[in-house]
Amino acid sequence: AQTVTQSQPEMSVQEAETVTLSCTYDTSENNYYLFWYKQPPSRQMILVIRQEAYKQQNATENRFSVNFQKAAKSFSLKISDSQLGDTAMYFCAFMKRGFNKFYFGSGTKLNVKP
Amino acid sequence: GAVVSQHPSRVICKSGTSVKIECRSLDFQATTMFWYRQFPKKSLMLMATSNEGSKATYEQGVEKDKFLINHASLTLSTLTVTSAHPEDSSFYICSATHQGGVYGYTFGSGTRLTVV
Repeated sequence: AQTVTQSQPEMSVQEAETVTLSCTYDTSENNYYLFWYKQPPSRQMILVIRQEAYKQQNATENRFSVNFQKAAKSFSLKISDSQLGDTAMYFCAFMKRGFNKFYFGSGTKLNVKP
Repeated sequence: GAVVSQHPSRVICKSGTSVKIECRSLDFQATTMFWYRQFPKKSLMLMATSNEGSKATYEQGVEKDKFLINHASLTLSTLTVTSAHPEDSSFYICSATHQGGVYGYTFGSGTRLTVV
């Protein structure tokens, strides 16, 4: 079974600063995908970034980047130049390649302070 | 971009009644739709996966007769909570695939169900 662990229930960051959200996962699979989803107060789940396990290069999307350590089964999200609109719950998720099933972590609530 | 509409956004029903939640893909054909349940301050738990025109596949522990899922068309899936009880109160979210691949998941904005 796959498990995803987010050990930081809540974090705060000042606007314009950088913050890193942690995620670890446990799997015996070799082919899989990892995701970070954002759930703002509107409750809409929004894809932030994704990573294929077979790619060594860390994914980046504008201010968002990941640090993917496959051997350590770690997948952290770095948000640079934090903005007030980044305030949300962030969920780390795992998906085995070829299967339509997300395994979500418990989430990290991020508060960006002005 | 791909849009999934979920309706209603909030619903309150009496214990013992049934309530239907709709999930529509507005600008794409969703061959597969998913229903999740999210408890307060908790993660999303997959309840079932539905493919258009076939029976839904339920996750272990999810009561099929309580949570009826219908995926009659490529743009609509419904979740009916039958004989609702207060413990069914939760936030329900649907998701749909439009590319058939791992990148093609779009989530609805969720439905807050309160059973009184």
